[in-house]
Amino acid sequence: QQPVQSPQAVILREGEDAVINCSSSKALYSVHWYRQKHGEAPVFLMILLKGGEQKGHEKISASFNEKKQQSSLYLTASQLSYSGTYFCGTGYGGSQGNLIFGKGTKLSVKP
Amino acid sequence: DAEITQSPRHKITETGRQVTLACHQTWNHNNMFWYRQDLGHGLRLIHYSYGVQDTNKGEVSDGYSVSRSNTEDLPLTLESAASSQTSVYFCASSANSREQFFGPGTRLTVL
Repeated sequence: QQPVQSPQAVILREGEDAVINCSSSKALYSVHWYRQKHGEAPVFLMILLKGGEQKGHEKISASFNEKKQQSSLYLTASQLSYSGTYFCGTGYGGSQGNLIFGKGTKLSVKP
Repeated sequence: DAEITQSPRHKITETGRQVTLACHQTWNHNNMFWYRQDLGHGLRLIHYSYGVQDTNKGEVSDGYSVSRSNTEDLPLTLESAASSQTSVYFCASSANSREQFFGPGTRLTVL
């Protein structure tokens, strides 16, 4: 039931783009994205609800494909501050708020 | 400003001892969650609560218990600490299915 994130790790140069995917084997109601920097707590980025919604946060956006049961996080023109581990958390109908998190994707942005 | 706090931030204990980790939020959120984070596993849900007197088991609840006597607090108890419970523990809260706000974490070592 844990969503699968890919890739597990990615290394970028400043200014490059990246895509992180999150796939579920079960029908999704919502997808949350969080970023965690080393030694810190996860911080919320955005929520997507079923309906093919797309959202943006600075140069970070995400899509939610209900039929494919997956979400993708797009990081455009990456900055050093984007480094960290990105987690998707999936919510299911009737869950009322609790999420199942993927194992994370470690993103390293180099100068 | 509203916040979520955890105490202690670091704890070393011995196998077999009972340990309680505190979580306190001033957001007035109905939902509260406990996760453990281990390398390679991401965030795994231990217990969660949707309101006072409500508690539910998550995916890794064995050896842990919680109680919710008021809106602000959800203490996590390890009945008899085991070395396998050495981990970083995060508490989080949310309003319904909205974003989760995470506490700073407690690093627990069981010797």
